[in-house]
Amino acid sequence: AQKVTQAQTEISVVEKEDVTLDCVYETRDTTYYLFWYKQPPSGELVFLIRRNSFDEQNEISGRYSWNFQKSTSSFNFTITASQVVDSAVYFCALSVANDMRFGAGTRLTVKP
Amino acid sequence: SAVISQKPSRDICQRGTSLTIQCQVDSQVTMMFWYRQQPGQSLTLIATANQGSEATYESGFVIDKFPISRPNLTFSTLTVSNMSPEDSSIYLCSVDRVGTNTQYFGPGTRLTVL
Repeated sequence: AQKVTQAQTEISVVEKEDVTLDCVYETRDTTYYLFWYKQPPSGELVFLIRRNSFDEQNEISGRYSWNFQKSTSSFNFTITASQVVDSAVYFCALSVANDMRFGAGTRLTVKP
Repeated sequence: SAVISQKPSRDICQRGTSLTIQCQVDSQVTMMFWYRQQPGQSLTLIATANQGSEATYESGFVIDKFPISRPNLTFSTLTVSNMSPEDSSIYLCSVDRVGTNTQYFGPGTRLTVL
């Protein structure tokens, strides 16, 4: 069975601070996909990134970066120089054969 | 990514009534899904909407309560039947286009049952 754990329920930072959102996953399958989604207060779910299990290369997109480590079954998300607009709930998700499981989400609040 | 729309965006309904939510995609997709997000919670998959056949429901969800239609490759509906206040949630559809292995989500329908 697949499982995603986001241990951080809520994080609060001050603007311009860096923040890392943790994600730990469990699966016995060797082929899987990992995702991060952002859910702002408006409620829509915005796709941020997808990683397949065979690609451990870290990725950077502007102020966002992702660290995928199979050895620790983690897929962490770092926001550099956070901004108020980054305030949202962030979900990590694991998909195996189109069966997608979401973590509980981390609510990030960035204060001005 | 696909452009996905949902109708209605929000609704307030009375106990015992039913509401049908529509999901429209701008292009043909292989798979469509329906999720529920209860207040302050994560997303839970209700069912996979299969084109031309019955939907595949997850444990804890039944067709009588959440009938789903998918008449073609770009459209699906979810009905929340005989509603109670416990059905108050955001209902989201998502799609997975061929070869992407990625689910893109609609804007959601925020349902409140009084």
